[in-house]
Amino acid sequence: SQTIHQWPATLVQPVGSPLSLECTVEGTSNPNLYWYRQAAGRGLQLLFYSVGIGQISSEVPQNLSASRPQDRQFILSSKKLLLSDSGFYLCAWSVGDSSSGANVLTFGAGSRLTVL
Amino acid sequence: GQNIDQPTEMTATEGAIVQINCTYQTSGFNGLFWYQQHAGEAPTFLSYNVLDGLEEKGRFSSFLSRSKGYSYLLLKELQMKDSASYLCAVRDSNYQLIWGAGTKLIIKP
Repeated sequence: SQTIHQWPATLVQPVGSPLSLECTVEGTSNPNLYWYRQAAGRGLQLLFYSVGIGQISSEVPQNLSASRPQDRQFILSSKKLLLSDSGFYLCAWSVGDSSSGANVLTFGAGSRLTVL
Repeated sequence: GQNIDQPTEMTATEGAIVQINCTYQTSGFNGLFWYQQHAGEAPTFLSYNVLDGLEEKGRFSSFLSRSKGYSYLLLKELQMKDSASYLCAVRDSNYQLIWGAGTKLIIKP
């Protein structure tokens, strides 16, 4: 069966410090991978998605970046965090073409980031 | 712009029935999703509608009317564990998901 792991679960970082959130998927090949941010009272915001190794699409300009060094690994990074980067970050995966059928997203457990 | 509207919060009684509405205005339509999210946890998939009508899955049902830009999630025989946020999301003409802010459902004994 497929599983998704995301870590760390929580972290508190000072403004200006770097960030690295990691996500790995097991039990599937060539998944579509996503990074979302969830702010209180707002819908999920897609930050990045990837359809293959080294292929990253950015949806929102910001000081965050993403990388996919391996087929089932997706990393969210920042060189210098801002206060506004605080939030709940979710990694997700799906298989297949987004235009085919439901293409359901399966989410990781999330990472709660607090920037002070 | 694209918009998904759903009530911020609803309260219901254990054992009762509750209907959570979702209205949408999007650039095209390629399916509507409902996800359940318990506090501090990841969203989990509940249902998918692409054609008009009712999809039933156990205690949960989801309805879609594309002409009205409207969907609802119906939860029957409510249990305390159903206390969660329910997220509505629509896939637009570019196959991108547009998410509502979620409806927090509080179940009282």
